[in-house]
Amino acid sequence: AQSVTQPDIHITVSEGASLELRCNYSYGATPYLFWYVQSPGQGLQLLLKYFSGDTLVQGIKGFEAEFKRSQSSFNLRKPSVHWSDAAEYVCAVGAGRTDKLIFGTGTRLQVFP
Amino acid sequence: ETGVTQTPRHLVMGMTNKKSLKCEQHLGHNAMYWYKQSAKKPLELMFVYSLEERVENNSVPSRFSPECPNSSHLFLHLHTLQPEDSALYLCASSHGQGSSYEQYFGPGTRLTVT
Repeated sequence: AQSVTQPDIHITVSEGASLELRCNYSYGATPYLFWYVQSPGQGLQLLLKYFSGDTLVQGIKGFEAEFKRSQSSFNLRKPSVHWSDAAEYVCAVGAGRTDKLIFGTGTRLQVFP
Repeated sequence: ETGVTQTPRHLVMGMTNKKSLKCEQHLGHNAMYWYKQSAKKPLELMFVYSLEERVENNSVPSRFSPECPNSSHLFLHLHTLQPEDSALYLCASSHGQGSSYEQYFGPGTRLTVT
């Protein structure tokens, strides 16, 4: 069965610094991969997704993620973090077209001015 | 209203109460989902409805009872809950069922069972 691991529970960065959030998955074939963002008191909003093709995926709000099959990773990056990026970031993996999504435990991002 | 809406946003109920959570999607989607989000745990899928038919029941206790009267509305009926059921309950919808379809989430209902 597929699984998702987000090794970092909590990350703190300064505004303007670069950001990388880690996501590792376990699945035999190429999975569907997603990053969601959740602000306090809100539901999840999709940042970006990878199904196939170019392994570097651009998303909303200036985020990007890179699929690395050899490392079973799909890390989320942003070159310069803004205070408004403070939120919970959740990685998810799907095994197939009709399969359900499996979510990671999330990484809480705190941004200092 | 646009997107996925959920009411109420907050709910406090005793263990002997009966209440219902409501979800409405204005996106023309055919699949709807209930998730449970507890602190420090990943989202847990509870139920999936596709074209108003329940296609997944993820071993959820019978004190949770879903209802999907049409493709735009989804309810979660609650009765005789336990304190460990306190959590954020999220509704989502998508064009079709399955992980290849983007899911759109509502803001959630924060449930506290006393």
